[in-house]
Order: sequence, then structure tokens, then C-alpha cells
Amino acid sequence: DGGITQSPKYLFRKEGQNVTLSCEQNLNHDAMYWYRQDPGQGLRLIYYSQIVNDFQKGDIAEGYSVSREKKESFPLTVTSAQKNPTAFYLCASSPLDTEAFFGQGTRLTVV
Amino acid sequence: KQEVTQIPAALSVPEGENLVLNCSFTDSAIYNLQWFRQDPGKGLTSLLLIQSSQREQTSGRLNASLDKSSGRSTLYIAASQPGDSATYLCAVYNDMRFGAGTRLTVKP
Repeated sequence: DGGITQSPKYLFRKEGQNVTLSCEQNLNHDAMYWYRQDPGQGLRLIYYSQIVNDFQKGDIAEGYSVSREKKESFPLTVTSAQKNPTAFYLCASSPLDTEAFFGQGTRLTVV
Repeated sequence: KQEVTQIPAALSVPEGENLVLNCSFTDSAIYNLQWFRQDPGKGLTSLLLIQSSQREQTSGRLNASLDKSSGRSTLYIAASQPGDSATYLCAVYNDMRFGAGTRLTVKP
């Protein structure tokens, strides 16, 4: 089945640790996106990539890093520099500025 | 930077009512606009995509319109049902920015 897979569904992190969230798509889409969602809030753009080996910062990139070494993969690392990382993280892909498709999200909790 | 606003933030209606959700954006030079539905704790499900050359799209009881010149889109839901209860979000392309959403509750 074609789609976007985010893993894990739930993730717990100790303070001071880096963690990496996985996002894989088999839709052959060029563009991929990472968003953060806080309770009762909309989606805020963290990073996006329109081609392999290239990505741009969104509105809240501080404390996060990404890579795009393969077209189908766009992992997000939440670094220890991110002061308030507890949130719901959503990954999306799109064939460049057209309809987007979302994964089911990863809920990250700092313990 | 594109700013997207959705009004109202929350809406509660009795079953069977027709309703309108609003989405406004500051930069009219958009490619497309997409409406999504989000159930609690879940990802987003695409409802309707309006391309920049179109003025509206329909799917079942849903109708979305787009007026680029005024920077507005509306989502019309006919004959609402309790199963329509969810948060509705709009996203505008060029770089896919979202509004904060409208949380809809349809009471039986």
C-alpha cells in the first residue's frame, strides 16, 4: 500500500537527549514536511524539503535538524537544544505544491 | 510570510444544521488550498483540494470555495452529523502553512 509511515507512534525522551523521528513515504513525492502540533493548536512548520539533499527552515526550526539523503526518507532529530519538545509531530509529503498526505504522527514526551 | 486564520475557533451545532467554516490568508499568490479533517490524536485526512485555477470543489456533503483576490476560502458542510465532529484545518500552498483550525462538535 502507498502511503506515509511515521515511527514510533509514541516516544519518550529524557532531558538532554537527542531523539530521531522517522518518516518514510513510498508515494514518489518530491516534497516532504515536518510539523509540530501542541494541544489545541494548529500545525507549525519545522522544516521542509523539495528535493533530495536540500531542505529549508520553517517557522520553528530552532532545536531541530533534518536530513534528506533519499527521496523516500525525511528523518527529524529533536536535539537537546529544543527546550520544550513535548508535542505531537506530523510528517507530510506532496508532489510539489499540490495535494499533501500525512502520516499518523509521533507523540513525543519528555520524562 | 503567509498568515492563515480560521474562524470560528470552535463551533457547536445540533445535528442536521448546515454550517460554514472560514479560512483567510494574507498572500493571494497561492498555488492551491486544501481542507483537512483531524480526529483527536490522529493525523490529517484530506477532504478537498482546490487548485488555484478553480473556484470550488465538492465531495458529498462538503463544498469548498476559493476567492484568491479576497484571500478567503469557505468550507460548507450540509446536513451535519455527529460523525462530522472533528477539527477542520485549511492549508495554503506555496509552502503549506496551516490555520489553527476550527473544532466542530455536532450534537445528536
